[in-house]
Amino acid sequence: NAGVTQTPKFRVLKTGQSMTLLCAQDMNHEYMYWYRQDPGMGLRLIHYSVGEGTTAKGEVPDGYNVSRLKKQNFLLGLESAAPSQTSVYFCASSWTSGGDIQYFGAGTRLSVL
Amino acid sequence: AQSVTQLGSHVSVSEGALVLLRCNYSSSVPPYLFWYVQYPNQGLQLLLKYTTGATLVKGINGFEAEFKKSETSFHLTKPSAHMSDAAEYFCAVRPPEGMNNDMRFGAGTRLTVKP
Repeated sequence: NAGVTQTPKFRVLKTGQSMTLLCAQDMNHEYMYWYRQDPGMGLRLIHYSVGEGTTAKGEVPDGYNVSRLKKQNFLLGLESAAPSQTSVYFCASSWTSGGDIQYFGAGTRLSVL
Repeated sequence: AQSVTQLGSHVSVSEGALVLLRCNYSSSVPPYLFWYVQYPNQGLQLLLKYTTGATLVKGINGFEAEFKKSETSFHLTKPSAHMSDAAEYFCAVRPPEGMNNDMRFGAGTRLTVKP
């Protein structure tokens, strides 16, 4: 049982390049999330999805887009990467909202030069 | 809007000593509260959570936390630290169902355990 899998694990981009981060979960969860983790700031929610075909903005959505075409996958896109997007990105999933546990992937470390 | 404050970005204890990691929150309604742990180069794992009921919550690896509504606190404790407890710990708050789904995390506390 893989849980939440993120690809790639590491990536280096030049300013202005684009890329897509993939998150896949095998727990049949309805809810999926993308967070970024920066030193001294904890995790901040970028976008989330409450079901296949739905997405919503979180706390820091600017510069990112997401898609949830299949229930098990949640994609995070950077159309034109900026150095401020250098961070560690985590995907998570859960059955529901509220008090439900979120299960996290191992993270993607992104550097934008 | 809800927020979380973790007092102390770094805490150092000796092996066998008490661990106390502090978390205070602000929320307009009683929220759900969580503690997550992150080991190096890994994602976050749930330690424990408070939703309703008993205010003293027991989690994995001997950790527990007490929800104190009057103090808006959810401090994490462990009676006796072990070397394997060295990690970063995050407190998080989330509103009840029916409100927005944002989980808000504290900035984290890095726990060091000295032999």
